[in-house]
Amino acid sequence: DSGVTQTPKHLITATGQRVTLRCSPRSGDLSVYWYQQSLDQGLQFLIQYYNGEERAKGNILERFSAQQFPDLHSELNLSSLELGDSALYFCASSAYGGRQAYEQYFGPGTRLTVT
Amino acid sequence: AQSVAQPEDQVNVAEGNPLTVKCTYSVSGNPYLFWYVQYPNRGLQFLLKYITGDNLVKGSYGFEAEFNKSQTSFHLKKPSALVSDSALYFCAFFPRGGADGLTFGKGTHLIIQP
Repeated sequence: DSGVTQTPKHLITATGQRVTLRCSPRSGDLSVYWYQQSLDQGLQFLIQYYNGEERAKGNILERFSAQQFPDLHSELNLSSLELGDSALYFCASSAYGGRQAYEQYFGPGTRLTVT
Repeated sequence: AQSVAQPEDQVNVAEGNPLTVKCTYSVSGNPYLFWYVQYPNRGLQFLLKYITGDNLVKGSYGFEAEFNKSQTSFHLKKPSALVSDSALYFCAFFPRGGADGLTFGKGTHLIIQP
């Protein structure tokens, strides 16, 4: 168990809809990352937040957005969903420094199915 | 473009034999390199990292990796494979040289046969 939690585990929704995925990082971790894993694109970095501020952006679509709240949990919002958005979405967190510097710890993921 | 490559989609090893999962990198500057493992229907688990220092890095579950600058490789190794090592293994790096999002290789399925 990594200490990173994600809800829900599974989500089934229709095209055009909007969903919110939630992530709670490990206790004490200030950085949160979102990744998408699909068969055709592999594992892709979407976005990073550090202590409430956006830190880095990857291959995140404009239809997707994220935020990190004062209690450090994060939400990934996916809107105008398309069939191709069906994927496993992972959240990860990391400590700023120390022995575990640069190590990212992943949650169990949310499997999104768009029908 | 910077990248890591995992040349084998699948590696088959008999239980008890040594295993190697290959990764080569094309990264400018000093690369920060990682190995992660994914078991079925699970998230990724951190195995080990190379940031700086000793070229031989030891990690979780008896795995180790050797950073080889001349061959631009970072192969994952284990002296004696277990059936429970069967999983999907990813090599990864930081493309921007900092601690932001990881870029992953396409993954290698490791199958350990009893």
